[in-house]
This record gives sequence, C-alpha cells and structure tokens, in this order.
Amino acid sequence: SQQGEEDPQALSIQEGENATMNCSYKTSINNLQWYRQNSGRGLVHLILIRSNEREKHSGRLRVTLDTSKKSSSLLITASRAADTASYFCATDGRGSGNTGKLIFGQGTTLQVKP
Amino acid sequence: EAQVTQNPRYLITVTGKKLTVTCSQNMNHEYMSWYRQDPGLGLRQIYYSMNVEVTDKGDVPEGYKVSRKEKRNFPLILESPSPNQTSLYFCASRLAGVGHEQYFGPGTRLTVT
Repeated sequence: SQQGEEDPQALSIQEGENATMNCSYKTSINNLQWYRQNSGRGLVHLILIRSNEREKHSGRLRVTLDTSKKSSSLLITASRAADTASYFCATDGRGSGNTGKLIFGQGTTLQVKP
Repeated sequence: EAQVTQNPRYLITVTGKKLTVTCSQNMNHEYMSWYRQDPGLGLRQIYYSMNVEVTDKGDVPEGYKVSRKEKRNFPLILESPSPNQTSLYFCASRLAGVGHEQYFGPGTRLTVT
C-alpha cells in the first residue's frame, strides 16, 4: 500500500526559484527519506530525517518533519536545471525495520526551466 | 565505490521463458530488497532478505522467487514471466536496524511480450 501522498504531483519553476514539495503519510514512522529519480533511472538518496527531528539541511535541501500532522516537506533552494527529476518521499514505518521496506509516495515531478 | 549493481539493465523476453536478474552490493549490508515501479502504482516491494538464507515476501511476491546464498548477492528469478511483469525493477540494500538509508541499484527495465 502507498502510504506517502505527495503534493503537488507536478511542479514547474524557473531556474533560481525555490521548489517546495510536500509529503503526507498515515502511520507512525521511524524515519522519513527523500529520494530523487531522473527519468527512468535509479533512485538517489537525498536526505533522511528521523522521527525525533524536526528539520534537517543538506546543501540546498531543507527537510521538515511534523509528526503530529504526519507530514514532511522538501525545499530545494536556488533551483537549477539539473534538479529536474521526480522526487519521492519514503517512510520506514514502525515495525518495518525488520523488512527493510520503504513505503513510497507517488512522487512529485519537478521541471526547472533554464 | 559503494554501490548496488544490477544486470541486465534492459531485457526483452517472451512469456514463459525463465529469467534471472542479478543484484550485488559491496557494502556488506544485511538487508536487501527488490522493488518494482509501475506508472500510477509507484514502487512496491516484491521480496526482501534480512540476511543470508533469510528471505520473505513483500507486497507483490506472486510470480517471483529470490535466493540469498551469499551476503552480497540477491538475485530475482522469474520462473515463467508474464506480460504483467513488464516493469522497472530495483534492487536495494541497507544496514540492519532502524534509521539507515537504502541504496538503490540503477534499475532493470523488463519487457515481457
């Protein structure tokens, strides 16, 4: 079952603008991860935020987590054309630690126009 | 370089012809998984393995088999492929325990005619 719901499904911005993507989930989690996927290719891990963290930064990426609302957001600042990709949130739910299973959202397709 | 490798990257085959997609990781990870990605359905886990000789079904295991005879390898076997198994497949691995990122392979695009 798909736990993560992402919003928006598609986002188109100009280079230099910020891009914000949101993810909601349904059950308790151990952590939440964000991945990037260039068209038809492998998933690249971007950032992991644990359930006891509220915000995390990595370069131009900022992730927030609100466990009370069961939601997370990914902010990409000063976007570049190379950021064009699909972005997925994935949750590692409580009890799934033994399976290694991540539950993925449907993803947000980001297009950054030069 | 730490990585997960898959082979082949692309495969076109016919219904019923057995095939194996190999997966190998060089990070000494305990956990390995197979996912399939389909439009509108996202990524779904097929099988997973917690360690050598320990495997179990994920969400969509029908029509697939796996084995874990060595820690680094986790092949996906389709004994009798059918067109509904046409998909993009990903192998992934991670360390045991909570809070570790998963590393994904580059994907195998399988078409069954």
